[in-house]
Amino acid sequence: EPEVTQTPSHQVTQMGQEVILRCVPISNHLYFYWYRQILGQKVEFLVSFYNNEISEKSEIFDDQFSVERPDGSNFTLKIRSTKLEDSAMYFCASSGDRLNYGYTFGSGTRLTVV
Amino acid sequence: QKEVEQDPGPLSVPEGAIVSLNCTYSNSAFQYFMWYRQYSRKGPELLMYTYSSGNKEDGRFTAQVDKSSKYISLFIRDSQPSDSATYLCAIYNAGNMLTFGGGTRLMVKP
Repeated sequence: EPEVTQTPSHQVTQMGQEVILRCVPISNHLYFYWYRQILGQKVEFLVSFYNNEISEKSEIFDDQFSVERPDGSNFTLKIRSTKLEDSAMYFCASSGDRLNYGYTFGSGTRLTVV
Repeated sequence: QKEVEQDPGPLSVPEGAIVSLNCTYSNSAFQYFMWYRQYSRKGPELLMYTYSSGNKEDGRFTAQVDKSSKYISLFIRDSQPSDSATYLCAIYNAGNMLTFGGGTRLMVKP
């Protein structure tokens, strides 16, 4: 069964450093998403991406965050200057079309900011 | 009022029991309703999604939506220890994003 692949599974970074979280969505999917889950809290929407541009973003997704699809397979989330409160699980997801609400999620990257 | 609410549990049941998991939501504009299962330190895995009020069945799982009460349910028949996980309801809104409940942790004991 096709899956969304995320790397690394765990990343530790110092506060103020830049991190890039990587995702390989399902190959024929067109819509891409990032969600995050702070330990013990809800899964929260960050951003959706379609046709090489952001289609929706939440208030969490401020100027410190950016997304990119640098080639035909990868989808990345960059955090420019990490803060302690950015520590969370970050999930990438993809879907085949806008009307397919059942996204496929990756296993996540655990980001720890120290 | 929070958009999507779930009882966090944990809910502990014996193997073979019927499990009822529930969510309430506040925005009547919500139209599409999903249930995800999340194992520890893994991503959410889609179980079912439904659009209209009523029931939808898939194997041992039944999703139920009552739009008049803004209440959604997931029933698991003949529960198994492998069903032990956190169950997340999620609602799709027109902003092309999912709004999740906080999840209910289920433990099925052999």
